[in-house]
Amino acid sequence: DIQMTQSPSSLSASVGDRVTITCRASQSISSYLNWYQQKPGKAPNLLIYAASSLQSGVPSRFSGSGSGTDFILTISSLQPEDFATYYCQQNYRTLYTFGPGTKLDIK
Amino acid sequence: EVQLVQSGAEVKKPGESLKISCKGSGYNFTSYWIGWVRQMPGKGLEWMAIIYPGDSDTRYSPSFQGQVTISADKSISSAYLQWSSLKASDTAMYYCARQSYDTDGFYSLFDYWGQGTLVTVSS
Repeated sequence: DIQMTQSPSSLSASVGDRVTITCRASQSISSYLNWYQQKPGKAPNLLIYAASSLQSGVPSRFSGSGSGTDFILTISSLQPEDFATYYCQQNYRTLYTFGPGTKLDIK
Repeated sequence: EVQLVQSGAEVKKPGESLKISCKGSGYNFTSYWIGWVRQMPGKGLEWMAIIYPGDSDTRYSPSFQGQVTISADKSISSAYLQWSSLKASDTAMYYCARQSYDTDGFYSLFDYWGQGTLVTVSS
């Protein structure tokens, strides 16, 4: 199985900050990496697919980069609605494992 | 408009059986895989299993193989997740999600999600 890790597990930031979240795969997954945002009590929402492609309707302040085993989600200027939990997910092999999540809250 | 609508919250006792549903609309239900994702209270997302309603091909995570059964009825555009004997540890929110692909067909993604079904198992 491909294991996913994320760092940090939690993060405090202010509106307007630039934030980066890292995801690492236990083996190379090329660009088979998605990022989701989940707000409390809501279903996850796809932000980024194929490591760096922005899902339709997602604000351009979100961006993704990386390939192989190391990936980054960047939020260029935090907005109040961005405080949520972020998950990466590999789709290289069926059993599309998620990372453990990064909780982003207000400083 | 693509929608996945899940059945309502359930409260069950240990040992009871349960089947929850996920109804798709606004797209060709038989042409997209449907996945199931568990979220235990206060925890992260776990990929459980996936089904292709067109031919009922299924794939399970080893963690969930034998613990749950997924199925689909394409005539009513619905997918199901069922347990034969619930345990307290099955208490969780369960989401269904549509698996789509990028325009080149290489990368899969969950682009639409149901609202979730909360399953509570308690004596």
